[in-house]
Amino acid sequence: KQEVTQIPAALSVPEGENLVLNCSFTDSAIYNLQWFRQDPGKGLTSLLLIQSSQREQTSGRLNASLDKSSGRSTLYIAASQPGDSATYLCAGGGNTDKLIFGTGTRLQVFP
Amino acid sequence: NAGVTQTPKFRVLKTGQSMTLLCAQDMNHEYMYWYRQDPGMGLRLIHYSVGEGTTAKGEVPDGYNVSRLKKQNFLLGLESAAPSQTSVYFCASSYSEQGFETQYFGPGTRLLVL
Repeated sequence: KQEVTQIPAALSVPEGENLVLNCSFTDSAIYNLQWFRQDPGKGLTSLLLIQSSQREQTSGRLNASLDKSSGRSTLYIAASQPGDSATYLCAGGGNTDKLIFGTGTRLQVFP
Repeated sequence: NAGVTQTPKFRVLKTGQSMTLLCAQDMNHEYMYWYRQDPGMGLRLIHYSVGEGTTAKGEVPDGYNVSRLKKQNFLLGLESAAPSQTSVYFCASSYSEQGFETQYFGPGTRLLVL
């Protein structure tokens, strides 16, 4: 059964820092990997989707990579801003299986 | 464009009471999902639907029922609420199968069962 782990559980950084959030999964047969953002009391917003044929995706200051052989994905946030403060969740899925979510990394960026 | 909406936003129930959570999407998506989110456990899939008139069980379906009578609506029912069902419930939808396309989430329903 696929299990998804996110480390660290919480992270606090000063504005302007580049940071990396980690996501690891137990089953290397993962087909795709998604990163979501969740603001307090709100639903999830999809940030990036990496499909099986891809190794990374970029959107603005965000870059996500997927290494299926090592069972890891990373979300890189460049030049962090206070507005980036949120919980970031990764979710992996097999070819026909449903998405399995990690428990998230709670990020705080202070001015 | 409202996206995915959920009704109600917050509800308090007594043990044994029943209720229905409503999810509506205006994006003409075929796939719809119900999740629950609990502290330290991530999101878990309760039930899902791959099209109007179809439903299927997810990871944690016990104690819940669903219906998809109209393509745009997905209802989650609790027949006899239990304190273990205290959670935040999220509805989501996608154009195609989960994982292949971006999922769009509603704002959530906070449910407290006393």
